[in-house]
Amino acid sequence: EDQVTQSPEALRLQEGESSSLNCSYTVSGLRGLFWYRQDPGKGPEFLFTLYSAGEEKEKERLKATLTKKESFLHITAPKPEDSATYLCAVQEPERLVFGKGTKLTVDP
Amino acid sequence: GAGVSQSPSNKVTEKGKDVELRCDPISGHTALYWYRQSLGQGLEFLIYFQGNSAPDKSGLPSDRFSAERTGGSVSTLTIQRTQQEDSAVYLCASSLVSGAGELFFGEGSRLTVL
Repeated sequence: EDQVTQSPEALRLQEGESSSLNCSYTVSGLRGLFWYRQDPGKGPEFLFTLYSAGEEKEKERLKATLTKKESFLHITAPKPEDSATYLCAVQEPERLVFGKGTKLTVDP
Repeated sequence: GAGVSQSPSNKVTEKGKDVELRCDPISGHTALYWYRQSLGQGLEFLIYFQGNSAPDKSGLPSDRFSAERTGGSVSTLTIQRTQQEDSAVYLCASSLVSGAGELFFGEGSRLTVL
């Protein structure tokens, strides 16, 4: 089965302090890599889809990038409302395989 | 409805009792998924439906777990003879078609087995 590993498990930033989250994967032919955001007590919410190495997607302060072995979620000048758990997943034929997530806390 | 609806939102039960968890997907979504999320763990795939059929039941942890979907809409996940290790948040998601990576999740049903 495909494997997805996310690091770090937890990250604490000051407001405005940019950083990156990592998602490494082992798949036999990538069909798609997905980033989700999960707030406490809620279900995951879709953020981005990436399909091929070199692809980038942006949304507000978030930018997702993809290489052949990993994806990064870059957070530029984060705000407290960006605090959440960020999940990475890869597409198997009929399901998503998720990593355990990175819990991001942004202090004001 | 506007989103995926799950009920109950919280369920506390005694070991050995049966529980039913319900999921009402977004109207028009043909694919429906059940995942389980335990504390400190990632989302664990349980089962998915395309229409009313479940081509892949390989994620169900044991034969105490079963699921059905009727009318291509509402799905029920049933856990018989619950055990303490079944305690988790059970998440339902739907998508327009199977194999789509953009899933729309409900808020989950938190199950606690005493």
